[in-house]
Amino acid sequence: QKEVEQNSGPLSVPEGAIASLNCTYSDRGSQSFFWYRQYSGKSPELIMFIYSNGDKEDGRFTAQLNKASQYVSLLIRDSQPSDSATYLCAVISNSGYALNFGKGTSLLVTP
Amino acid sequence: EPEVTQTPSHQVTQMGQEVILHCVPISNHLYFYWYRQILGQKVEFLVSFYNNEISEKSEIFDDQFSVERPDGSNFTLKIRSTKLEDSAMYFCASSYDIEQFFGPGTRLTVL
Repeated sequence: QKEVEQNSGPLSVPEGAIASLNCTYSDRGSQSFFWYRQYSGKSPELIMFIYSNGDKEDGRFTAQLNKASQYVSLLIRDSQPSDSATYLCAVISNSGYALNFGKGTSLLVTP
Repeated sequence: EPEVTQTPSHQVTQMGQEVILHCVPISNHLYFYWYRQILGQKVEFLVSFYNNEISEKSEIFDDQFSVERPDGSNFTLKIRSTKLEDSAMYFCASSYDIEQFFGPGTRLTVL
């Protein structure tokens, strides 16, 4: 079974701080890694994806990938109360385009 | 900005009835997907569709499920004989490449 693991949280950070969200995956054949944000009762919203080892930055978001450790993370700088949501890590293996999601980490940004 | 649309937003049906969920993917996208999310659980892949045929499906997508692209814009998911455990949010997604964009979902309630 190909697993994507995330700490369910909640992760609580004060407004303006850096939020760090982590994800591990079991399938070494995984090729691409995605972060989605999901507000309660809403659909997943794509934040960014990464497929090469290292860091990728997009605005306040930085994704980090370490394939040797099978670990991917998302950093949110200058966290805002509007960032409060569940963050979903998703992985695509080398066998297709199906997204394999983790259960998500709940983030709470307190004013 | 183009987006994936889904109808209806909420469907209530009796166990054993057939339901069809409708999706209009983003117009220039080539790949289409259905996912579901049971309340409180992770998002699960059902099926992907490319070039007018199923390209990948999960164990969940059994003979009770079918997909169709009846014309150049719509993409449907049919559940032939609904069960109580089919109650979930069903998300359609589309992509031009690997970045998948989700519709707002249809909440299916089976009584």
